Amino acid sequence: GNSVTQMEGPVTLSEEAFLTINCTYTATGYPSLFWYVQYPGEGLQLLLKATKADDKGSNKGFEATYRKETTSFHLEKGSVQVSDSAVYFCALQMTTDSWGKLQFGAGTQVVVTP
Amino acid sequence: DGGITQSPKYLFRKEGQNVTLSCEQNLNHDAMYWYRQDPGQGLRLIYYSQIVNDFQKGDIAEGYSVSREKKESFPLTVTSAQKNPTAFYLCASLQDDHGKLFFGSGTQLSVL
Repeated sequence: GNSVTQMEGPVTLSEEAFLTINCTYTATGYPSLFWYVQYPGEGLQLLLKATKADDKGSNKGFEATYRKETTSFHLEKGSVQVSDSAVYFCALQMTTDSWGKLQFGAGTQVVVTP
Repeated sequence: DGGITQSPKYLFRKEGQNVTLSCEQNLNHDAMYWYRQDPGQGLRLIYYSQIVNDFQKGDIAEGYSVSREKKESFPLTVTSAQKNPTAFYLCASLQDDHGKLFFGSGTQLSVL
């Protein structure tokens, strides 16, 4: 079946450090890929997405590139802030399914210290 | 402001009891979803509905039931058949631009 694997957290960083969260997927076919973010006590928010190979999603200084050859969608940010502390979820969606049926990774907690 | 409202924020269930989680949206979205979140795990799909009066099982539907009588509302009932109900439950609706889900702020269900 389809699945998403993320690096385990927590990831602890100092403010202004570079952030990378690894995400790889297994899918039969060509999924759309997403990063969602969850702040404490809240629901998830869409951070960025990519719908085909070599697409780059970007938002709020975060970027991720859809790499079909390595089945990856790693999330990066060049200079994190304390406000980026959250749990980040990588997810995939198969075009043959309902658009809201996402397969989520386990999530990676990021803690940014001043 | 448009959004999704889940209530209550915290809910406690006694042994053998059914409980219902509320989810209301004013975004005029057709499709709605219920996900379950367990600590250290990703979200898993319980049920979804793409249109009023229709719904489908997700990956972990056993022990749950839903209804969709109105476009705005998609309540989830956790029945006594669900033996491990303690989790964070998230309701979402779908904006029609390829996968953007809007989530509510969730309901934490615990067993007494």
